[in-house]
Amino acid sequence: EAGVAQSPRYKIIEKRQSVAFWCNPISGHATLYWYQQILGQGPKLLIQFQNNGVVDDSQLPKDRFSAERLKGVDSTLKIQPAKLEDSAVYLCASSSTTRLAGSYNEQFFGPGTRLTVL
Amino acid sequence: GDSVTQMEGPVTLSEEAFLTINCTYTATGYPSLFWYVQYPGEGLQLLLKATKADDKGSNKGFEATYRKETTSFHLEKGSVQVSDSAVYFCALSGSARQLTFGSGTQLTVLP
Repeated sequence: EAGVAQSPRYKIIEKRQSVAFWCNPISGHATLYWYQQILGQGPKLLIQFQNNGVVDDSQLPKDRFSAERLKGVDSTLKIQPAKLEDSAVYLCASSSTTRLAGSYNEQFFGPGTRLTVL
Repeated sequence: GDSVTQMEGPVTLSEEAFLTINCTYTATGYPSLFWYVQYPGEGLQLLLKATKADDKGSNKGFEATYRKETTSFHLEKGSVQVSDSAVYFCALSGSARQLTFGSGTQLTVLP
């Protein structure tokens, strides 16, 4: 089974530029997550999709970040304009929706995109 | 809100040493608890989990017991190997079924 794919793996931009990251989840996984992982910290959830609908985007800085998941498969996360504090690794994860009461659907993570804003 | 506090690193051990990485949490209700591992250049991988009090998760020689009375989920391994060098994250999944992570602990095992 292929894992979660992300691209690019690395990106260096100057502040005020825009950037986009792409994620392809595991086939059949309806739930998709984007996390931001700042150096020395644990991942922080930015947005969660269920199919092509947003479940939770409460921690997404909507003045500069946007995300979409057209057709409920691939997803794109965009930053426009970027700030220095956006330097981080952006992780995509996916999970299935088959859920038993009280169970947890394991999230599978991609390798991440390391963004450096100069 | 939910939070996870991990023992600060980095941790450096010799091969075959005993490992403990402390983790405590704050959450309402009865969260599920996890340890994730991130090897250099790779994505996060689930190492082990426990879904209710007194459960013990185990995998690859690592163990952690869900202690509700002390709100803890400490990671242990009796004899570490060089290949265990990685960053370890404690996490919880609460009522919203979303993951809240600790800050991570860098482990380096020397031969």
